[in-house]
Amino acid sequence: NAGVTQTPKFRVLKTGQSMTLLCAQDMNHEYMYWYRQDPGMGLRLIHYSVGEGTTAKGEVPDGYNVSRLKKQNFLLGLESAAPSQTSVYFCASSYHSTGELFFGEGSRLTVL
Amino acid sequence: QQQVKQSPQSLIVQKGGISIINCAYENTAFDYFPWYQQFPGKGPALLIAIRPDVSEKKEGRFTISFNKSAKQFSLHIMDSQPGDSATYFCAASSSGTYKYIFGTGTRLKVLA
Repeated sequence: NAGVTQTPKFRVLKTGQSMTLLCAQDMNHEYMYWYRQDPGMGLRLIHYSVGEGTTAKGEVPDGYNVSRLKKQNFLLGLESAAPSQTSVYFCASSYHSTGELFFGEGSRLTVL
Repeated sequence: QQQVKQSPQSLIVQKGGISIINCAYENTAFDYFPWYQQFPGKGPALLIAIRPDVSEKKEGRFTISFNKSAKQFSLHIMDSQPGDSATYFCAASSSGTYKYIFGTGTRLKVLA
């Protein structure tokens, strides 16, 4: 009954360091998304995927890369972290293109 | 044109009162309007959703009112309870775009 699982839950990086956030879902959903949540700005879409092997840019893709090599996993990478990337990152998945989004519990990233 | 404007930013309601959160959109192609509820430290979860072929949808104490001509929709929480204290996000999407536009969120506090 895991749903959407994100790792790690917390991370502190120095400017210029790289890291990868992992999202795993066990619901066999085709669609997966990465959002960032910042105070007063709601949820903004970074990248999304409509199926294994596919990715597409969202509203705020700069500074991030993604991969979806397996249907159940969606990875978000930061190649050279910047303080502006300090945020809470949420992964979500859905069965239909406009169906219910199932969110993970978030990954809080701080870039010093 | 892709924005969804949400108000108020924060709301304090007495127990038993009615909480009302409003959203407005510009893109007439939007055809699915969900509301998500988020508790501190958790990911958002779908609360209730509506499609533009109906003007109102009710689920328990939660009601969405939809005004297609005004391009507005709102969430009404009847008999508000302290357990309803959370952040609420409206969202909109259109078929085939695979992505949602979220409002900036409303932090609701219900006083006991």
